[in-house]
Amino acid sequence: IAGITQAPTSQILAAGRRMTLRCTQDMRHNAMYWYRQDLGLGLRLIHYSNTAGTTGKGEVPDGYSVSRANTDDFPLTLASAVPSQTSVYFCASSEEGLAPRDEQFFGPGTRLTVL
Amino acid sequence: LAKTTQPISMDSYEGQEVNITCSHNNIATNDYITWYQQFPSQGPRFIIQGYKTKVTNEVASLFIPADRKSSTLSLPRVSLSDTAVYYCLVGDTGRRALTFGSGTRLQVQP
Repeated sequence: IAGITQAPTSQILAAGRRMTLRCTQDMRHNAMYWYRQDLGLGLRLIHYSNTAGTTGKGEVPDGYSVSRANTDDFPLTLASAVPSQTSVYFCASSEEGLAPRDEQFFGPGTRLTVL
Repeated sequence: LAKTTQPISMDSYEGQEVNITCSHNNIATNDYITWYQQFPSQGPRFIIQGYKTKVTNEVASLFIPADRKSSTLSLPRVSLSDTAVYYCLVGDTGRRALTFGSGTRLQVQP
């Protein structure tokens, strides 16, 4: 069982470029989440989806968009990357949209550097 | 929204018991208390969750006093591999409760 996979593992990106971070889960979880983690800080929620076809904004949504066309995939897109989006991005899922009561399962992360 | 306060860092030695306390003075009636562990270059991993009194699993124990304004994660006989950042989350459901904060950085020495 793979759990949650993220791609790419790391990426260096020029400012102004468009980038999509991929996230796939094979646990048939209803809810999925995207977080960013900056050096020495905790995780901040960017966007979430409680079920396929629905999405919502988290704490820091500006500059990011998501889609949830099916249960398994939850891509995060940076339409025009800026250096302040340099961070480690974690995708997570939970069985129902009941986090934090619901246990979240995290992917390995994508390290993104915007120059 | 229940805000949490944890120590920034803690040091311990192998074989000792480590207790990490999280303060959450404005916890709501429906809120659960959840702890995650994060190793360097990995995503967080669920450790334990509780609502009141004491919860124990194969990894840790969680102590919650009657007023629920704080909670203590207890790691028995830590090893070097327990060196990690530990996050306390308090909330019921919904995005407003998904704030991990800065966590407690535990360093276990030989």
